[in-house]
Amino acid sequence: QQQVKQSPQSLIVQKGGIPIINCAYENTAFDYFPWYQQFPGKGPALLIAIRPDVSEKKEGRFTISFNKSAKQFSLHIMDSQPGDSATYFCAATFYSGGYQKVTFGIGTKLQVIP
Amino acid sequence: ETGVTQTPRHLVMGMTNKKSLKCEQHLGHNAMYWYKQSAKKPLELMFVYSLEERVENNSVPSRFSPECPNSSHLFLHLHTLQPEDSALYLCASSQDRGTGELFFGEGSRLTVL
Repeated sequence: QQQVKQSPQSLIVQKGGIPIINCAYENTAFDYFPWYQQFPGKGPALLIAIRPDVSEKKEGRFTISFNKSAKQFSLHIMDSQPGDSATYFCAATFYSGGYQKVTFGIGTKLQVIP
Repeated sequence: ETGVTQTPRHLVMGMTNKKSLKCEQHLGHNAMYWYKQSAKKPLELMFVYSLEERVENNSVPSRFSPECPNSSHLFLHLHTLQPEDSALYLCASSQDRGTGELFFGEGSRLTVL
């Protein structure tokens, strides 16, 4: 029940394409759904996040779509660029006992080719 | 310095060595975390400290020993490790009742020979 299932595990798109990464969860206690971006040699950094009362959130070229009834959410990257090549992790979290209980997906390695 | 700083960035140790990883956060957060990152696996939570008290220990072997002397510093003491413990160890912090965001350091890449 604590799992977050993420797919695909790897993705190659051409510059300008729209990669889509999908995640699904089970635990309805989750109330915050962030996406983290990780470049080689760096730690993950928050990219964009959404709360379950919103169906879509857009920040620049990055959009999260959220389907509460299906317990699914996805990341779309518009007009992808080679600089977007990184590993993307979805996560689901809720606050309890003084800290964030975070469950991460397995990650998607994205390669954007020029 | 700002953010979350981890040292050392790279560490090679033998199975009988004792070493420590250090994490320092300059964000005023009061929860700190150790995660293990291995290839083709989700990030694995190892330990959480909230207000300097350990609140979660995720069935981690005793060869890993955390220490949180204050809300800004977190250590992971390592002894008699196994080769399968080779991984990237990430420290993170979060604000109590904040947005839910974790702030990660750049990690310590550990290789156990």
